[in-house]
Amino acid sequence: LAKTTQPISMDSYEGQEVNITCSHNNIATNDYITWYQQFPSQGPRFIIQGYKTKVTNEVASLFIPADRKSSTLSLPRVSLSDTAVYYCLVGDSNYGQNFVFGPGTRLSVLP
Amino acid sequence: DVKVTQSSRYLVKRTGEKVFLECVQDMDHENMFWYRQDPGLGLRLIYFSYDVKMKEKGDIPEGYSVSREKKERFSLILESASTNQTSMYLCASSLTSRKETQYFGPGTRLLVL
Repeated sequence: LAKTTQPISMDSYEGQEVNITCSHNNIATNDYITWYQQFPSQGPRFIIQGYKTKVTNEVASLFIPADRKSSTLSLPRVSLSDTAVYYCLVGDSNYGQNFVFGPGTRLSVLP
Repeated sequence: DVKVTQSSRYLVKRTGEKVFLECVQDMDHENMFWYRQDPGLGLRLIYFSYDVKMKEKGDIPEGYSVSREKKERFSLILESASTNQTSMYLCASSLTSRKETQYFGPGTRLLVL
């Protein structure tokens, strides 16, 4: 199973760019990298997904180096409402046992 | 918009009771999952199902069972609830293809006394 390692917590200020890096040294060829966001008392919510290089959507960017052993979620100009836990998930949704959620990164955005 | 609903937001049960947690999704997804979430441990997979009547154990299946009689419904059963099963339970679903993301329900916070 592709386990992931992320920082436990991060602090940032409003308007800054935040980069959260996830390590996944034993990622498999078929695995995709997916990031989720979770607010208190809610289920996780999909942010972005990628396989290699760079992916960008209206919320975030995801940078994946050629060896795919890590990935970086980039949140541009964060606001207070971006305070949440961010999970990096590596796996193949075809077979659920390959999905492993780590403890996530608790991002606190300060005014 | 995909909707995943869970039967209860909050539940209080006594030790030894049989507990049913229900999850329903409305997007014809093949895969359904049950997780529990505890502080500092993230989400841990209990069971998942990739088709009706099919189930696979996740990381922590002990003390739990599941049922999937219909495609849209996935039930988690605590045969004899114990205090260490006090937790937040999250249900999710996804399409069958490899890169499809999981859609989560709002969660059920279960307290076992």
